[in-house]
Amino acid sequence: KNQVEQSPQSLIILEGKNCTLQCNYTVSPFSNLRWYKQDTGRGPVSLTIMTFSENTKSNGRYTATLDADTKQSSLHITASQLSDSASYICVVRRSGGYQKVTFGTGTKLQVIP
Amino acid sequence: DAGITQSPRHKVTETGTPVTLRCHQTENHRYMYWYRQDPGHGLRLIHYSYGVKDTDKGEVSDGYSVSRSKTEDFLLTLESATSSQTSVYFCAISESESGSSVDTQYFGPGTRLTVL
Repeated sequence: KNQVEQSPQSLIILEGKNCTLQCNYTVSPFSNLRWYKQDTGRGPVSLTIMTFSENTKSNGRYTATLDADTKQSSLHITASQLSDSASYICVVRRSGGYQKVTFGTGTKLQVIP
Repeated sequence: DAGITQSPRHKVTETGTPVTLRCHQTENHRYMYWYRQDPGHGLRLIHYSYGVKDTDKGEVSDGYSVSRSKTEDFLLTLESATSSQTSVYFCAISESESGSSVDTQYFGPGTRLTVL
């Protein structure tokens, strides 16, 4: 079964600190993996996309890593800000056909002053 | 929200009544999707469209129908709403399904539906 599991479910950190969110997947055959940020009451917004050959990709203070062999990805947030408070969703696409996308349940991050 | 609007944004209805949610885009993207988001579940695909009048079912399509008569509009209909359809509904659009960076899905602001 194609699954995407994220950990932790929720996380509270102090402003200015770093954190790492995890995503493990069983989706196969793999096409790409995205991290989305979803602010409360809004739709998800894409942060990064990673394909099979990419190990690391950065978007400002966000750095995503991918290990396609172990089927694991992480999202590292550096020097967190209050505006980073949101849910972060890992989404894995598998190859072939229309709409073969599996969403994780997300990690809810709260950054406190 | 990438030129995507959803209406209504909030709706409360009673069991057994029909409900139609509307998604409107100004990006002229070919693909449009309806998802529902519930606590403890990832976003789940209800239906999607790959062109005008071209639609197909997603993983949770029972109790829902869709129509797309124009590129810019994608309607989701609950023929007879049930309490299990209480959820937040998101519309999304994408330029392609190629598996490359251009298949980014852009999401609307969501519609919160409560069925009493």
